[in-house]
Amino acid sequence: GENVEQHPSTLSVQEGDSAVIKCTYSDSASNYFPWYKQELGKRPQLIIDIRSNVGEKKDQRIAVTLNKTAKHFSLHITETQPEDSAVYFCAATTGFGNEKLTFGTGTRLTIIP
Amino acid sequence: NAGVMQNPRHLVRRRGQEARLRCSPMKGHSHVYWYRQLPEEGLKFMVYLQKENIIDESGMPKERFSAEFPKEGPSILRIQQVVRGDSAAYFCASSPGTGPVPLHFGNGTRLTVT
Repeated sequence: GENVEQHPSTLSVQEGDSAVIKCTYSDSASNYFPWYKQELGKRPQLIIDIRSNVGEKKDQRIAVTLNKTAKHFSLHITETQPEDSAVYFCAATTGFGNEKLTFGTGTRLTIIP
Repeated sequence: NAGVMQNPRHLVRRRGQEARLRCSPMKGHSHVYWYRQLPEEGLKFMVYLQKENIIDESGMPKERFSAEFPKEGPSILRIQQVVRGDSAAYFCASSPGTGPVPLHFGNGTRLTVT
């Protein structure tokens, strides 16, 4: 089955700086890669996703890049703000007939004011 | 358009009791996924159901856990004879089955076993 590894497990950055979280996946058939943000005690919320036919996607301060050859994808947050502090999860799925997501272990991002 | 609805939000059970968690998918969605999140950990896939069918239960413990998604009504995750290690947040997500599409999660049920 699919295996998703995520690094780092914790990340602290100064407010205004950029944050980068990296994930690798094992199943070359995976074709959809969402990122979720989870605040304490709340549900995971989708913040951005990318499909395997695209190399990069951007939404305001958030961007995701995908390298299918190397089987890794990354989340980039620019101009970080205190409200970006949360746990971030990457995930992957092959999506054919079964959209179950395999999640990474999460990155606890802390923005230092 | 209501999102995925889960209830109860919090559930406290004593060891040995049964826990029933409910998930109503988004309108028009016929596929449901259950995930478990242990404290300070990531989300682990448990089971994938379509109406009246279990499609993938590869993440479900073999004993004490069962899930159903009847033709009418919500999907139910049932845990029999709960133990302290079952304490976790259980999240449900739904999709229309035309995937891959973004999965949106419900607010979860936080199960505490005392």
